[in-house]
Amino acid sequence: GIQVEQSPPDLILQEGANSTLRCNFSDSVNNLQWFHQNPWGQLINLFYIPSGTKQNGRLSATTVATERYSLLYISSSQTTDSGVYFCAAALRYSGGGADGLTFGKGTHLIIQP
Amino acid sequence: SQTIHQWPATLVQPVGSPLSLECTVEGTSNPNLYWYRQAAGRGLQLLFYSVGIGQISSEVPQNLSASRPQDRQFILSSKKLLLSDSGFYLCAWVDRGSEKLFFGSGTQLSVL
Repeated sequence: GIQVEQSPPDLILQEGANSTLRCNFSDSVNNLQWFHQNPWGQLINLFYIPSGTKQNGRLSATTVATERYSLLYISSSQTTDSGVYFCAAALRYSGGGADGLTFGKGTHLIIQP
Repeated sequence: SQTIHQWPATLVQPVGSPLSLECTVEGTSNPNLYWYRQAAGRGLQLLFYSVGIGQISSEVPQNLSASRPQDRQFILSSKKLLLSDSGFYLCAWVDRGSEKLFFGSGTQLSVL
């Protein structure tokens, strides 16, 4: 199956700093998603981004499918950005399909005030 | 709008006892439904997925089973829990329009 690796595993930043989280995947994908798990365990879908660039407020994501990586950018970090960020990818997956996403192990981000 | 409900939020069960976790989705029909487990630490592991009533696929052999008795209901069960079944269980569904995967709030299961 597909392998998904995230880096760095841990990241500690001061409030206001910018950060870049990386996700590498081992094969061609047609589904790539980013999630944020808050300290209470809730997983929030940030982006569906199998290719290209998307932005949502202070967050943006870029996937270069041909080079098998995706990046999540967080600008002007806030303490509420703390938590674990997961990347997940699938090779054959669609809303009508049945293959599940393979998750990376996540990046644990701590934003200090 | 679509919502996903999962309960209970926390559960403490003795070894050998049965388990039933329920998940329901509102505001959509015929969703693809998933059960994931997150062990202490981080990674999420896909346990089961379902594309329709009575259709269950298992990703890993284990002590657990899943059922889908109704279109928007997904149940995770065990006849006899093991210590290794402890973890954070998450139900999820896929929105076919956006292709996004959305999670319920999860159940923290402790088997003692």
